[in-house]
Amino acid sequence: GAGVSQSPSNKVTEKGKDVELRCDPISGHTALYWYRQSLGQGLEFLIYFQGNSAPDKSGLPSDRFSAERTGGSVSTLTIQRTQQEDSAVYLCASSLWSGYTFGSGTRLTVV
Amino acid sequence: QKEVEQNSGPLSVPEGAIASLNCTYSDRGSQSFFWYRQYSGKSPELIMFIYSNGDKEDGRFTAQLNKASQYVSLLIRDSQPSDSATYLCAVMGSGGSNYKLTFGKGTLLTVNP
Repeated sequence: GAGVSQSPSNKVTEKGKDVELRCDPISGHTALYWYRQSLGQGLEFLIYFQGNSAPDKSGLPSDRFSAERTGGSVSTLTIQRTQQEDSAVYLCASSLWSGYTFGSGTRLTVV
Repeated sequence: QKEVEQNSGPLSVPEGAIASLNCTYSDRGSQSFFWYRQYSGKSPELIMFIYSNGDKEDGRFTAQLNKASQYVSLLIRDSQPSDSATYLCAVMGSGGSNYKLTFGKGTLLTVNP
């Protein structure tokens, strides 16, 4: 596609439920990133995928968070047993070189 | 922990003035630097990148880099109300992290008509 596509754009979930966030990167971009942006905070790195290499998961805040990238394209970020502190905008980005292109994000609200 | 520091602002300038946004970083090995613009409720948008010491100009925007001082800046000439946004400085990691951008918390710029 023309840009990075994320879905859903908004998600409200009850505390304790699992959620899945989807990212479809720009075609041909080999690198894919997930970041989180909380109110008043900067962008927090979560995970990085590059081709068939092992992902860099060093930014995932707890073992409730996981992500996968299938076929080198679409990625899914899963948060299990959501907590209120998980409320944030989850941004996906892809790149071919070092400049990232961000998707429009998923705003997650845990109530 | 590699850090990127920005003045949170808000920085308020009149229309037509020059806005100056500053950023310092801690990773002395970093080689690539980026400026993103983020409108309220929107995702960050890349507006400038710079790799070499000195100035890089693109239209009304000029990025300045001083690696010895670990300092990056963005100048916006002839500021317009449409430039009102949060500006994020981002620094590419070095060595084994040369794929990961670390972002500052951003400077909120308001351009007053």
